[in-house]
Amino acid sequence: EAGVTQFPSHSVIEKGQTVTLRCDPISGHDNLYWYRRVMGKEIKFLLHFVKESKQDESGMPNNRFLAERTGGTYSTLKVQPAELEDSGVYFCASSQDWRGYGYTFGSGTRLTVV
Amino acid sequence: AQKVTQAQTEISVVEKEDVTLDCVYETRDTTYYLFWYKQPPSGELVFLIRRNSFDEQNEISGRYSWNFQKSTSSFNFTITASQVVDSAVYFCALSEVGGATNKLIFGTGTLLAVQP
Repeated sequence: EAGVTQFPSHSVIEKGQTVTLRCDPISGHDNLYWYRRVMGKEIKFLLHFVKESKQDESGMPNNRFLAERTGGTYSTLKVQPAELEDSGVYFCASSQDWRGYGYTFGSGTRLTVV
Repeated sequence: AQKVTQAQTEISVVEKEDVTLDCVYETRDTTYYLFWYKQPPSGELVFLIRRNSFDEQNEISGRYSWNFQKSTSSFNFTITASQVVDSAVYFCALSEVGGATNKLIFGTGTLLAVQP
């Protein structure tokens, strides 16, 4: 079984540019989550999709962040325009069970905004 | 509010030493899950254990063991006879039960360096 795939693995962009991160969950996992770790701090929840619907987006920092999940399959997280404080590692996870059991995380995308 | 505290930012040990990673949590929920994840240098978060709030039995898996104490709101993780391959960042996390999302609340992580 393929795991959760994220790409790119690294991205370096200039302040003000746009970046799109992609996550391919495990096939058949309806639940997809985005998390972010900024500069050695805790990993923080961004949002949760159930299939193509946003179940909870309470962790999205501001309206520069836009997440989509086309057809309930892969998801994208767009940051536009990027700011310096957006630098960090963005993790995606998927699960069959919404209760958190069987969460599988991807390797993350390290975003650096300069 | 829910919170997870990992007071140890970095720990360095010599191979074969035992090491305990501390985790203290706060929650008003009576039902919740606790987790430990490992983040090796390759970057992915690897699931180690999930414990629900009604199960206070300690668990042992090979060289890993976990001590869950509700009285002190702690869920500590011990590695016995540490090895270089144990070097990683370890995260403790808390998840509420019953909500629509059950998002994970993570601690700030403990960087464990095992020296040969």
